[in-house]
Amino acid sequence: EVQLVESGGGLVQPGRSLKLSCAASGFTFSNYGMAWVCQAPTKGLEWVASISTGGGNTYYRDSVKGRFTISRDNAKNTLYLQMDSLRSEDTATYYCARHGRFDYWGQGVMVTVSS
Amino acid sequence: DIQMTQSPSSLPASLGDRVTITCRASQDIGNYLRWFQQKPGKSPRLMIYGATNLAAGVPSRFSGSRSGSDYSLTINSLESEDMAIYYCLQHNEYPLTFGSGTKLEIK
Repeated sequence: EVQLVESGGGLVQPGRSLKLSCAASGFTFSNYGMAWVCQAPTKGLEWVASISTGGGNTYYRDSVKGRFTISRDNAKNTLYLQMDSLRSEDTATYYCARHGRFDYWGQGVMVTVSS
Repeated sequence: DIQMTQSPSSLPASLGDRVTITCRASQDIGNYLRWFQQKPGKSPRLMIYGATNLAAGVPSRFSGSRSGSDYSLTINSLESEDMAIYYCLQHNEYPLTFGSGTKLEIK
């Protein structure tokens, strides 16, 4: 059974950092590009970032470029999102998903940026 | 960036109705279009991929179609479990972009 489990969310002050993790199981993690998608409270879905199978290619939405870093550890079957210089507008639930297919999603992890 | 203009934003409907939700792409995206269903407090669920293909486990009353740059999700014979928010997603080029969502609710 394919499973994606996010962790690492929480309450953080503006300007601080947070690192999200997404533990994958039930499929060959290294064969799939991966993505992060966010959803602000009561708002729609927004793509955040994607990473290729080997991690050599990464893509970001403009609003997070230079602040967020997507990475992966294929030996640990884990996807990451390093979030730096956080802003109030980054407050959202963050989901990981298999890029391109978007057939499996994690349960989501809440990130709240507030003083 | 490719804009996905989704309509309507809200769709009151009765059980048994046939409803259609549409996304219009601002640029060519081929068939790189997916539809998702999201219920309150839940993760999105893939319903349609490749614009017209039913995802695994999705009831056959759901279907997807394309006419030029317009992509549609149709639900035949609405059931109560179909009440949710539906989103389209283009994944033809970066940045990937979602439609703004359609809330399907009971009239």
